[in-house]
Amino acid sequence: EIVLTQSPGTLSLSPGERATLSCRASQTVSSSFLSWYQQKPGQAPRLLIYGVSGRATGIPDRFSGSGSGTDFTLTISRLEPEDFAVYYCLHYGSSPPRYTFGQGTKLEIK
Amino acid sequence: EVQLVQSGAEVKKPGESLKISCKGSGYTFTNYWIGWVRQMPGKGLEWMGIIYPDDSGTIYSPSFQGQVTISADKSISTAYVQWSSLKASDTAIYYCTRRETQYSGTYLQKTSDRFDPWGQGTLVTVSS
Repeated sequence: EIVLTQSPGTLSLSPGERATLSCRASQTVSSSFLSWYQQKPGQAPRLLIYGVSGRATGIPDRFSGSGSGTDFTLTISRLEPEDFAVYYCLHYGSSPPRYTFGQGTKLEIK
Repeated sequence: EVQLVQSGAEVKKPGESLKISCKGSGYTFTNYWIGWVRQMPGKGLEWMGIIYPDDSGTIYSPSFQGQVTISADKSISTAYVQWSSLKASDTAIYYCTRRETQYSGTYLQKTSDRFDPWGQGTLVTVSS
């Protein structure tokens, strides 16, 4: 069973700064099946990045994804006030079919 | 516009049954899997299972197998989660979401698998 560990648990930054969020898998996974989601308080999650580096429709280009093997990163190049939220990584595994979420990283205003 | 609209908040007592719904619009409902995700108060996201509305093929997370029943009625483009006997620990927000997959190459290898879009969530409160 794959476990996704996100770090840090909480990240405190200021608008304009660069944010780097990590998602580490307990074993090698396919980068095609790794995606990232943003959740703001009181809202449903929203897809940001899929296939490691593909941006979902309407997502600004300050959001980018990278990584392979067991280590994946979501980068927000220059934080805007609306980016402060909780971020989750998600992996789909095919044998057996199963989805696994990371525990989340809270990005808060410093 | 692709949309998933979920049923409203519910307040139930332990032992009661419940069925919540998720109605899809703006796309061919039978062509996409629908997933369900739980979020307990102040906690993260947990995958519960997915259903293919065309044939009601279902895959459950081991953590939720036997605890809930996922179903769909393709004639009205709606998916459901139901409980036969609720517990206080079922108190959570439940989200439905559409599974998006991409394939490429001669042998149609899957190149992407993600959840998009999401319903607005249904808050289920179980309390005596």
